[in-house]
Amino acid sequence: KAGVTQTPRYLIKTRGQQVTLSCSPISGHRSVSWYQQTPGQGLQFLFEYFSETQRNKGNFPGRFSGRQFSNSRSEMNVSTLELGDSALYLCASSFLGGGTDTQYFGPGTRLTVL
Amino acid sequence: KQEVTQIPAALSVPEGENLVLNCSFTDSAIYNLQWFRQDPGKGLTSLLLIQSSQREQTSGRLNASLDKSSGRSTLYIAASQPGDSATYLCAVNDHGSSNTGKLIFGQGTTLQVKP
Repeated sequence: KAGVTQTPRYLIKTRGQQVTLSCSPISGHRSVSWYQQTPGQGLQFLFEYFSETQRNKGNFPGRFSGRQFSNSRSEMNVSTLELGDSALYLCASSFLGGGTDTQYFGPGTRLTVL
Repeated sequence: KQEVTQIPAALSVPEGENLVLNCSFTDSAIYNLQWFRQDPGKGLTSLLLIQSSQREQTSGRLNASLDKSSGRSTLYIAASQPGDSATYLCAVNDHGSSNTGKLIFGQGTTLQVKP
């Protein structure tokens, strides 16, 4: 069974631009969560989607948004990029996303904002 | 607000040693606790998942324990190998997450196993 895939793997953008990242979950998984990882803050939860609905949201500004499609693939969008948005963005998938599920992570997208 | 702490931040041991990584959390109302491994610049690999009703889980040379009442978990690695060198992260899925996919992570322990 294929693992979680994320595209692109690397991105370089300039301040003020916007970016869209994509995540394809493991086949059959309906929950997709997004995390931001930085050296200073560690791993922080962005949001989770389940059956095309945002089910939980972290403490990030409205510039960070996401969506999920009917095939469970998910995208996240960051508008008006800032230098501080440079990070590794990880997505994780699980079957139901609840307390009994193991979360499986993708390889991440490395975003650099210049 | 749930907080997860991992001690030590870094650890260096000679090959063959048994070692223990520690994780503590402030709110015992959790659904589960998960241990992950992260290699530099890579994603996370799930190692072990312990449900709130369980006391421990084992996989190969790894054993994770959970003491919910004291807010602690340990990851025991037996007979360490250079290939075990990585950052180890623990994360909890707590009741504040309303039984969703949200995980709260510790800052990790970076392990170096010297040949």
